[in-house]
Amino acid sequence: DAKTTQPNSMESNEEEPVHLPCNHSTISGTDYIHWYRQLPSQGPEYVIHGLTSNVNNRMASLAIAEDRKSSTLILHRATLRDAAVYYCILRDLSGGSNYKLTFGKGTLLTVNP
Amino acid sequence: SAVISQKPSRDICQRGTSLTIQCQVDSQVTMMFWYRQQPGQSLTLIATANQGSEATYESGFVIDKFPISRPNLTFSTLTVSNMSPEDSSIYLCSVERQGGNYGYTFGSGTRLTVV
Repeated sequence: DAKTTQPNSMESNEEEPVHLPCNHSTISGTDYIHWYRQLPSQGPEYVIHGLTSNVNNRMASLAIAEDRKSSTLILHRATLRDAAVYYCILRDLSGGSNYKLTFGKGTLLTVNP
Repeated sequence: SAVISQKPSRDICQRGTSLTIQCQVDSQVTMMFWYRQQPGQSLTLIATANQGSEATYESGFVIDKFPISRPNLTFSTLTVSNMSPEDSSIYLCSVERQGGNYGYTFGSGTRLTVV
């Protein structure tokens, strides 16, 4: 399975933008880039996903490098409720085990008031 | 997307006993997934449960320890058998949000402490 690398932790101030990086240098052409977050004492929550083009939704934006070897999750204005562990996950839809999600350690985001 | 109700939310159990965790979904789903999250760690997939067939277990997990039932398209149970303190973890179930590549929904988890 293709692996991702994320910083262990990041800090941000409330109402400022946050850029969470993810490296996936061994990504294949059929890997989608998924982001989940896990708030304290909750199960993971889907945030966004993309393949090649940048994506926006109500929660965040996903910027994907042209070579697809890295991506950045962008929270445009961090709030205290965004404090969570953020997971960057590659999901390959081409194989027999395409339903699996493999979680790495993720990035613990701390938001300061 | 699907809404998951998971019970119990937490429990403290004696070693050597078993606990059954329930996962109820508000819509019919083909596959349901069970994960374990050990203290301070990330999530690890235990098994995939399809209705009408035996669950498929990941490496390191066996049916005798984690028997799974999937009686219909909206419900599944995971049993943690003959528990030891090493089984203290959060157990979560998950389903696809909708057909296709739209990600997954997770339950809020069952926090298990074995004493």
